[in-house]
Amino acid sequence: AQSVAQPEDQVNVAEGNPLTVKCTYSVSGNPYLFWYVQYPNRGLQFLLKYITGDNLVKGSYGFEAEFNKSQTSFHLKKPSALVSDSALYFCAVRGSIGGGYQKVTFGTGTKLQVIP
Amino acid sequence: DSGVTQTPKHLITATGQRVTLRCSPRSGDLSVYWYQQSLDQGLQFLIQYYNGEERAKGNILERFSAQQFPDLHSELNLSSLELGDSALYFCASSAYSGSTDTQYFGPGTRLTVL
Repeated sequence: AQSVAQPEDQVNVAEGNPLTVKCTYSVSGNPYLFWYVQYPNRGLQFLLKYITGDNLVKGSYGFEAEFNKSQTSFHLKKPSALVSDSALYFCAVRGSIGGGYQKVTFGTGTKLQVIP
Repeated sequence: DSGVTQTPKHLITATGQRVTLRCSPRSGDLSVYWYQQSLDQGLQFLIQYYNGEERAKGNILERFSAQQFPDLHSELNLSSLELGDSALYFCASSAYSGSTDTQYFGPGTRLTVL
């Protein structure tokens, strides 16, 4: 069974500092990895995804994520955090093996707090 | 704005009742997914429809059912409601049904069962 782990419930970072939100996964076959952000009382917004190719994926709002196959990780990063980045971040994985539908499994979410 | 719309935004009802949540996917998207988000269970996949047909089931209770209509909008029916069904219900859509498809989420319906 596929799974996603976001080991930190909350990450605090000072405005202007780099941020990292961690994600590790377990899946059969090649992983398809996604990051979403959820602002209070809003739906999830797509940030970026890794399908294949370059291990560094660039997404919306200056975010990027690095795929590391050997460490089965897909950490979300941003060089300089903004207060407006404060939100709940979800990592998700979808496997590629097997017939039929491969559902998306979401992590439990990491709350990012950017301190002015 | 993702282009996915959900109605109503809020729903308050009593235990034992039945409610219907509605979702309109982004223009051109053929797949609709339903998710439940609660504090203790996180984000749980319920069911997916693709072009009118059920494609996959997740952790959906037998008291819940869904359908996708010819115009591709979808409805999630929740019956014999229990207090534990109180949650945010999200609809998402994607162009097709592939594993690499990005899902775009609606704003959600907050269901409160009293």
